This record gives sequence, C-alpha cells and structure tokens, in this order.
Amino acid sequence: DVKVTQSSRYLVKRTGEKVFLECVQDMDHENMFWYRQDPGLGLRLIYFSYDVKMKEKGDIPEGYSVSREKKERFSLILESASTNQTSMYLCASSPLVTGGKNIQYFGAGTRLSVL
Amino acid sequence: AQTVTQSQPEMSVQEAETVTLSCTYDTSESDYYLFWYKQPPSRQMILVIRQEAYKQQNATENRFSVNFQKAAKSFSLKISDSQLGDAAMYFCAYRTRNTGNQFYFGTGTSLTVIP
Repeated sequence: DVKVTQSSRYLVKRTGEKVFLECVQDMDHENMFWYRQDPGLGLRLIYFSYDVKMKEKGDIPEGYSVSREKKERFSLILESASTNQTSMYLCASSPLVTGGKNIQYFGAGTRLSVL
Repeated sequence: AQTVTQSQPEMSVQEAETVTLSCTYDTSESDYYLFWYKQPPSRQMILVIRQEAYKQQNATENRFSVNFQKAAKSFSLKISDSQLGDAAMYFCAYRTRNTGNQFYFGTGTSLTVIP
C-alpha cells in the first residue's frame, strides 16, 4: 500500500514564526502536492512538484514556499505564519503515469493553528 | 477555467438506503478522468471510484457506482445499502490530459448516515 506520511497531525504556531510541514511518501512517486483544505472551499492547490528540485505554483502560492531535495520528501514552508494560514494542510503524491492509474494518494493531514 | 461544482454541502441517508451525491464540472477538454474521493472524520482521503471520460459504461465498485453524463458534464455518485462507515466528506475531482498531473477538486459534500 502507498503510504504518505505527514510529520504532524496538529501544530500550533505563533504569528510570524517560520513553519515547516513535512511529507514523505514511500512509493517512489514522481509527483507530490500540497493542498489547503478549508470548509466550503474544498481543496486548493498550493504547490506541486514533478521531480526533485522542481516545483510549480498552484492556485494559492502566496505566503508559501516548498522544497523538494529528495524524491520521497516534499516540504511546505510558511516563511512568516499569519492567522489566515490557519487551516488543514494535505499532502498527496501520484505516479508519473498517464491514464486512469494516475491517481493521488493522500496523507492524513496537518491541522495548523496560527495564534 | 477548470471548475468542479458540488451543489450539496450536506446530505443525509438512512442506514441501508441509497443516496446520490451530485457533481458537475466544466472543461473544454475531451480527454479527462473523473474521481470520487472519501475523507472520513479525522482520517485520510481515499479514492472511492474513478471514470475515464472515453468510456461510456458507468464505473462500479461494490456498493458505489457513478452516473456519468458526458454531454451534461455531470458525474454523480450513488451509494447503495448505506453503512455507518460511509459517513464522510466526499470530494469530486477531475484531471485532464492537458493539465497533466494537476487535479481539480469540488468543495465537498458531507454525508451523514442515520442509524
């Protein structure tokens, strides 16, 4: 089974802090994604990566950055956390295949509260 | 713009009954894939069912089936013989060949199963 592991389930940080959210997958997937999930807004893509050291902006990249130094690990960075970044963050990965087998596998999520 | 609309924020169903969750999408592409994901409370999101747009036959996975109406751009999920474990947030999503690895998600439908 594919396993996508997010390092923290719950995180509480203060405004202005630098925050790191870590995600590791064990299936050698090329693609990795960071989403933000808010009630009534569904999942919104922050950033994704299709290869080591490669990254692409999603729909809401402002206030975030990412790092992918190794294939299995994709980090989301909040350079200076703000209260409006309080949310659930989901990491996902997918293989580099075409067709219906290209599905996303999700981690359990990190619920971040910025005070 | 790529959009997915789930018009039912909340639904409820009596145990053992059938419920249908609605989803419409908007794309100008002809080659795409549709998905329903399930997110149980405090648990990670998992794939329920998928449909290739070029296939006319509706996908089925045990008690889960879809009604895919390509011309209407509609992709509803039917859950038969509902069980307590079906209670979750359900997200409709799609991916097109031209968007590559990027998925587009709806805002979700929260399903309650009444014993």
